[in-house]
Amino acid sequence: DVKVTQSSRYLVKRTGEKVFLECVQDMDHENMFWYRQDPGLGLRLIYFSYDVKMKEKGDIPEGYSVSREKKERFSLILESASTNQTSMYLCASSSPDGSTNEKLFFGSGTQLSVL
Amino acid sequence: QKEVEQDPGPLSVPEGAIVSLNCTYSNSAFQYFMWYRQYSRKGPELLMYTYSSGNKEDGRFTAQVDKSSKYISLFIRDSQPSDSATYLCAMSYNTNAGKSTFGDGTTLTVKP
Repeated sequence: DVKVTQSSRYLVKRTGEKVFLECVQDMDHENMFWYRQDPGLGLRLIYFSYDVKMKEKGDIPEGYSVSREKKERFSLILESASTNQTSMYLCASSSPDGSTNEKLFFGSGTQLSVL
Repeated sequence: QKEVEQDPGPLSVPEGAIVSLNCTYSNSAFQYFMWYRQYSRKGPELLMYTYSSGNKEDGRFTAQVDKSSKYISLFIRDSQPSDSATYLCAMSYNTNAGKSTFGDGTTLTVKP
């Protein structure tokens, strides 16, 4: 089974702190994604990566950056955490097979609270 | 106006009931339509996907897409308590599922 592992289930940080959210997948997938999930707003794409050292902005990249130094690991960085970044963060990975819709595999999420 | 609108719920049904979950969308360029199931404190998992219009059946689940009406549905037959979860619809222009537009989700509770 594909496994996408997010390092923390719950995280509490203070305003202004630098926060790292880590995600590791074990299926050699090329594509990795970071979303945030908020009530009434659904899942929104923050950043994604199609390959090592490659990154592209999603729909809401402001206040975030990412790092992909190894194929299996994709990190989300909050440079200076703010209260409006309190949210559930979900990592996902996928691999194109060229013929059908890619299947997304999600981690269990990190609930981040910024105080 | 959101690109994808999902019936807000929550929905509570007795075990064995037929459940209908629905989404509407505004962008006719969407070609791929997905349903995800998300259990409490877990990430979403892909339940079904459909390309373009039509029906797709998988066991007790049927996904229906009506592109002319910009309307998609997920039907659950003989619902079970284990079906209690939040269901998310999602749509994309191409096979890149990671760039899908997601609905807000409908929370379903199936009571024994």
